[in-house]
Amino acid sequence: DTGVSQNPRHKITKRGQNVTFRCDPISEHNRLYWYRQTLGQGPEFLTYFQNEAQLEKSRLLSDRFSAERPKGSFSTLEIQRTEQGDSAMYLCASSSPGQRSYGYTFGSGTRLTVV
Amino acid sequence: AQSVAQPEDQVNVAEGNPLTVKCTYSVSGNPYLFWYVQYPNRGLQFLLKYITGDNLVKGSYGFEAEFNKSQTSFHLKKPSALVSDSALYFCAVRDIKAAGNKLTFGGGTRVLVKP
Repeated sequence: DTGVSQNPRHKITKRGQNVTFRCDPISEHNRLYWYRQTLGQGPEFLTYFQNEAQLEKSRLLSDRFSAERPKGSFSTLEIQRTEQGDSAMYLCASSSPGQRSYGYTFGSGTRLTVV
Repeated sequence: AQSVAQPEDQVNVAEGNPLTVKCTYSVSGNPYLFWYVQYPNRGLQFLLKYITGDNLVKGSYGFEAEFNKSQTSFHLKKPSALVSDSALYFCAVRDIKAAGNKLTFGGGTRVLVKP
């Protein structure tokens, strides 16, 4: 499978716990994006990497959120001290400069439920 | 800043009838425009894009969209809807001059095609 892979598909956690999600982009894509989508809404931009550099962060990304892409390949998104308002679908997408006019390729997402 | 508006939360149409999903956008420069479709508990799937050239663009599954610069619109259309077209549809825009290839999404329109 050469698409964007996200793990886990579903995560249920208790409020206050930390969670980490992983995204494996298409191998030749150097740009990687994280979006958050709440039920019935459009995806909202969280952050963007070009290779290993995190070039842009949304104001939605509070201090409890951190994202990394250590070797410019896979990325992780960690949420510390989760709150019920963090419940959402977290989408990862990737693209390459040569395809900047083509939008993204999305993964299937990680659905987080905070109880 | 870039933004997208999808004025209809839901569109209902009978199978075999034409389907239109509306989208208007706002960018400071020239736009790249995209339509994505989302099925339950899945990521977003690319349908079509407008980059330049002909205002009428054709995409996957018989969908097409018309770019109208004067009305800043990019409505999605399908001449004859199928029950399997029932899904959530998102319009997205990117300002050509914006760095990072960040897409901004509309709030989505749920399409329900009835047999």
